[in-house]
Amino acid sequence: GDSVTQMEGPVTLSEEAFLTINCTYTATGYPSLFWYVQYPGEGLQLLLKATKADDKGSNKGFEATYRKETTSFHLEKGSVQVSDSAVYFCALKGGSYIPTFGRGTSLIVHP
Amino acid sequence: NAGVTQTPKFRILKIGQSMTLQCAQDMNHNYMYWYRQDPGMGLKLIYYSVGAGITDKGEVPNGYNVSRSTTEDFPLRLELAAPSQTSVYFCASSFRQGGDNYGYTFGSGTRLTVV
Repeated sequence: GDSVTQMEGPVTLSEEAFLTINCTYTATGYPSLFWYVQYPGEGLQLLLKATKADDKGSNKGFEATYRKETTSFHLEKGSVQVSDSAVYFCALKGGSYIPTFGRGTSLIVHP
Repeated sequence: NAGVTQTPKFRILKIGQSMTLQCAQDMNHNYMYWYRQDPGMGLKLIYYSVGAGITDKGEVPNGYNVSRSTTEDFPLRLELAAPSQTSVYFCASSFRQGGDNYGYTFGSGTRLTVV
């Protein structure tokens, strides 16, 4: 079945550092890929998405490129802020009604 | 434009009690979902619905029940609460099949503790 694997957290960075959170997936066909963010005490919010190979999703300075050859969708940001501290979830939507979520990666940004 | 509204935000139950977690969306989404999130873990799907009158089990349905009498509402019922049901519960909705292009809209969650 479909699966999503994210790097273990927490990821701890200083403000203005470069961020990469790795995400790889297993799925049949051509899934859509998503990154969600969960701020403390809140629900998940869609951060960005990509629906086909080589698409780049971007939002709020975050980017991720759909790489079919490496089955990856790594999240990057050039300069993180304290306000980016949150839990980030990679997800895919394949042929079923149900999305598959990764276990989430906690990001902590220090001033 | 409320999105997905969950009530209550917090609740403490005693073992064996029952309760209903409410979820309502005002976006005319046909698909609705209930997830639970345990500390340090990802999301586990409890139940989902593809439209009014249609529900189906997810990954962890035991101890829960749902109904979908209207497009807007998707309540989750806990019968005979157990400590293992201590968790944060999220309701979500999406448009069309699994929200291919629009993603999922989540509520802010209900934090449930069973003691």
